[in-house]
Amino acid sequence: QKEVEQDPGPLSVPEGAIVSLNCTYSNSAFQYFMWYRQYSRKGPELLMYTYSSGNKEDGRFTAQVDKSSKYISLFIRDSQPSDSATYLCAMSGAPNTGTASKLTFGTGTRLQVTL
Amino acid sequence: ETGVTQTPRHLVMGMTNKKSLKCEQHLGHNAMYWYKQSAKKPLELMFVYNFKEQTENNSVPSRFSPECPNSSHLFLHLHTLQPEDSALYLCASSQEVGGGQNIQYFGAGTRLSVL
Repeated sequence: QKEVEQDPGPLSVPEGAIVSLNCTYSNSAFQYFMWYRQYSRKGPELLMYTYSSGNKEDGRFTAQVDKSSKYISLFIRDSQPSDSATYLCAMSGAPNTGTASKLTFGTGTRLQVTL
Repeated sequence: ETGVTQTPRHLVMGMTNKKSLKCEQHLGHNAMYWYKQSAKKPLELMFVYNFKEQTENNSVPSRFSPECPNSSHLFLHLHTLQPEDSALYLCASSQEVGGGQNIQYFGAGTRLSVL
């Protein structure tokens, strides 16, 4: 079993739709959760960062973490064609633990928002 | 501009060539990373440097040789590569390794093709 599971897609939605992207993980030591967005021919850029369980909102983006279920989500409201990219989840553990020294990534979900 | 610059952006090399990838970060970070990104796979961590010292080598073949002369610069020296080494090579930096948040900032990558 992979440490982080993410549906690779592709996921195609019409402009204006609400998009839900998800990752599940197996390591209960993970405490820091990130979403990166990667456009074609570019490096990943940090989109959202959350610590432990809860929600965080930034404009059209909302990140949710449910540590009891080992499940994280990224919601995109009013999706735009410019949101078309690959979305990578990533996570790491508490300071000074084995899981703190690196990020563990999902495979990424490719999202296409159509006009 | 992401603050992490990688050169060259594209590289084509034969299996007997020797080449180097360069990464420079302008964020004042102390940790730098090399990743390999292949289609349909999670990002593979290759090497980690913290305060110029290598702290992780993820069982990378010796045909890849990293060098970190200072906290702002990172190189990846390549020699006698194989076609399966063709991939996007990403450099990242973070404040330090193991500090908890471990938010990493990525460069745009070098697209490597080995013929």
